[in-house]
Amino acid sequence: QKEVEQNSGPLSVPEGAIASLNCTYSDRGSQSFFWYRQYSGKSPELIMFIYSNGDKEDGRFTAQLNKASQYVSLLIRDSQPSDSATYLCAVTPDGAGKSTFGDGTTLTVKP
Amino acid sequence: GAVVSQHPSWVICKSGTSVKIECRSLDFQATTMFWYRQFPKQSLMLMATSNEGSKATYEQGVEKDKFLINHASLTLSTLTVTSAHPEDSSFYICSALKQQGGEQYFGPGTRLTVT
Repeated sequence: QKEVEQNSGPLSVPEGAIASLNCTYSDRGSQSFFWYRQYSGKSPELIMFIYSNGDKEDGRFTAQLNKASQYVSLLIRDSQPSDSATYLCAVTPDGAGKSTFGDGTTLTVKP
Repeated sequence: GAVVSQHPSWVICKSGTSVKIECRSLDFQATTMFWYRQFPKQSLMLMATSNEGSKATYEQGVEKDKFLINHASLTLSTLTVTSAHPEDSSFYICSALKQQGGEQYFGPGTRLTVT
């Protein structure tokens, strides 16, 4: 079992829909959770981080964390074609350590 | 956010030569930086953790004598690929760890082609 698991996709949604990306992790002691977006041929870009159970919203993005279920998700509302990318989930055991990355979920938003 | 730069953005070198890649955090101090490699359509692969003022920590299977890492200041880490071979051709990406939050900020990457 991988330490951080994501569905590889591809996940395809129509423009304007909500895209839901999921991630599970195995280390119950994990403290910090991150979502990165990586466009093809580019490096990853941090888009959200969350430390506490519950929801965290930033514009069209909402990160959800459930530590009891060892589950973190990213919702993208009003999806746009420019959101088409690979989304990487990363989990860190403490606040300042090395993150473990999932393999990423490829999202395609169709016009 | 935070800004991390990498130089060069791309490089072509001949087999057997060495290439140095620089990674700089421009607007914050980073005691820890990471070096990754990514092959086309594959996942990020962590190569090593670079710590300012101390030796780098390499991931299993990464040759430390081939991939030399130096983190001489709080804003600069370098990766030198020594005696490069065509199989070293890849996209090399660094990141800097923002200590307060634990989040990583990535450089734009360096595309290395060894001929």
